[in-house]
Order: sequence, then structure tokens, then C-alpha cells
Amino acid sequence: QVQLQESGPGLVKPSETLSLTCTVSGGSISSYYWSWIRQPPGKGLEWIGHVYYSGTTNYSPSLKGRVSMSVDTSKNHFSLDLSSVTAADTAVYYCAKGRTYYDIRAPFDYWGQGTLVTVSS
Amino acid sequence: QSALTQPPSASGSPGQSVTISCTGTSSDFGAYNSVSWYQQHPGKAPKLMIYEVFKRPSGVPDRFSGSKSGNTASLTVSGLQAEDEADYYCSSYADSNNFYVFGTGTKVTVL
Repeated sequence: QVQLQESGPGLVKPSETLSLTCTVSGGSISSYYWSWIRQPPGKGLEWIGHVYYSGTTNYSPSLKGRVSMSVDTSKNHFSLDLSSVTAADTAVYYCAKGRTYYDIRAPFDYWGQGTLVTVSS
Repeated sequence: QSALTQPPSASGSPGQSVTISCTGTSSDFGAYNSVSWYQQHPGKAPKLMIYEVFKRPSGVPDRFSGSKSGNTASLTVSGLQAEDEADYYCSSYADSNNFYVFGTGTKVTVL
């Protein structure tokens, strides 16, 4: 059973960089797409982007320019950096796994529990 | 990019059916049937309920079904049960720009 666990600071100051890591256990990070998705309090889901195990990335057009993702296959984890954050970036951040090998369109079959990141001075 | 459009709420009595729509553009849905649906209970991570328009992952009851016509996808929950009360989100992969888009979300209430 694959499990995902987000980790990182719960509080980030405005204009700084939000950094999160998602550790994958119970399965290999290889051959799948891995996504970051966020949900502001009381609002809907927003896809931030995904990273392939090879390091290839795609990002949401609305966040492109501020977001960077990477993968470390030796540690079986992948990471998110979101720069120049504002209060609008306050959200629960989820990491999620693409359901099918090699499939860029695969839906998300395993999710982390989510971590609340608050942007405030 | 804009979110896919869903009704804010839907409701039904136990045993009844409820259908949720998800409307987008041809660019949102692309040429592939990559529409999926997620169920989210308060304080929990979303759960995949339907993928590729109508397929159910193992363990999802057959009370949940999906369909798509043109630029509108639909999720039907038949035989409503109390545990079906949750938020539901549709999602699709927009091939034109290589990104995922979610729906605005629908709160389903079991009366």
C-alpha cells in the first residue's frame, strides 16, 4: 500500500519561499507522475503541477514562474518550492500519485493527508 | 485557466439518486477521456471515485457512475447513503496546455 507524507514548515512569511517535501513509502517513485495540489481554507482544489520520476515537470499556467518541483529517486521523495508567497497562498497542500505508469493524464489514486501552510508575518 | 463549472450543491433523500454536472470547454477535456471524480469528506484528503469518464477503482461501490456528453461530464450517485454526504470535484487533463483542471466542487447533502 503506497503512502505519501508531506513535510515542511507550517508558517511562511510573505515574499519568502514555501518549500515542501513528499515522502513516498510502500512503493517506488519510478515510472509515475507525482503532483502537488492545494486547497485554500473553505475553497476548492487547485492543481499546482507535477513532476515525472525522470525530473520532467509541468506547472499550472497561473503559478508558472513562481513554482519549481524536483524529484529525488534515491530518497523516494519529491519536492515543491513556491516563491514570493502572499496570503493568497495559504492553503492545505497535498501531494498525490498518478494512477498509471508513464501516463501524464493519469488521475490521482493516492494522496497525502495534507499539510496546512499559512503565509503570515 | 478557469475551473470546470459544477453546481454548488445537490441533495437527495436516502435511497434516491443525485447527478452532478461538470462543464468545460473542448480544450479542458481534450481528445482523451481523462475525466475523473473525487469525493472529499471534511478534513480529509480527496478520494478517487471515477476515472476515464466511467471507470471505478477497486473498492468504489457501483452506486457511483460517470458519463460524458460533449463538454459536460456527469457523476451519478444512486441509492444515496448517509456516508455519501461530501464534496465532489471533477477533474480533467487539458492536453492543449499540459495541465490539470479541477471543477468548482459540489456539496452533496443527504436529507
